[in-house]
Amino acid sequence: GAVVSQHPSRVICKSGTSVKIECRSLDFQATTMFWYRQFPKQSLMLMATSNEGSKATYEQGVEKDKFLINHASLTLSTLTVTSAHPEDSSFYICSARVSGGGTDTQYFGPGTRLTVL
Amino acid sequence: SQQGEEDPQALSIQEGENATMNCSYKTSINNLQWYRQNSGRGLVHLILIRSNEREKHSGRLRVTLDTSKKSSSLLITASRAADTASYFCASTTDSWGKLQFGAGTQVVVTP
Repeated sequence: GAVVSQHPSRVICKSGTSVKIECRSLDFQATTMFWYRQFPKQSLMLMATSNEGSKATYEQGVEKDKFLINHASLTLSTLTVTSAHPEDSSFYICSARVSGGGTDTQYFGPGTRLTVL
Repeated sequence: SQQGEEDPQALSIQEGENATMNCSYKTSINNLQWYRQNSGRGLVHLILIRSNEREKHSGRLRVTLDTSKKSSSLLITASRAADTASYFCASTTDSWGKLQFGAGTQVVVTP
C-alpha cells in the first residue's frame, strides 16, 4: 500500500529557531500534498495545499511567511516553521493525495510532534 | 474551518458490541471519507463513500450517507479492543481534494 513518511517524528527546539519537517511518499508519486496541524484532543486543521512545482496554497489565517512549504519533487514536500514560538507547538501531519482511476484518497504520514521551548 | 460535527464526542463500549458514530457537514460534498487515528499517530484511511452512494461496506465497517440531511454514519460491528482510536469523518468539496475534518469521536473498547 501507499506509504508516507515524515521526518523527524519528534523535535524540540528553542523559541526563535526554525524547524524543517519532511514529508515523503515512499512508493508513489504525489503531485499534491497537504499539511495539517492538530492540537491535543482536537481535529486536524488544514494549513496548506502543496503542489509540485508551484507555490503552496494556504488556508485562511495561516501565515505563509511563517510556515514555508516547498514541494520540490513528486515525492517530497517540506514544511519549515520559521522563528518558532511556544504557540507553534503542535502535531504536524502531512498527507499525499492519490487520485484517478475511480479513487481519491489521501495517505497520511505518522506526524511530527513539535515542541517549542 | 472544520466542515462538520461528529457525535458522540466519546464512546465507550465493550468488546463484541457495535459502535456507531455520526457526522454532519455543512456544504455540498464530492465524497466523504472516514479515518482512524491511534493516539499520537497519523491517520489511517478506512472507507470512502461518494456523494451518489448511500451505503458502503468494508469488513466490519458500514458507512451510510444521507445527502439530504448532510450526514453520514460509521458503524463498527463486533468491536475489538484494537478498534480503540479516534475516528474522523472528512469531506471533500473541491477538485483539489482538500479534506475538511469533523471534530472526531474517541472510541474506547474495553476487553
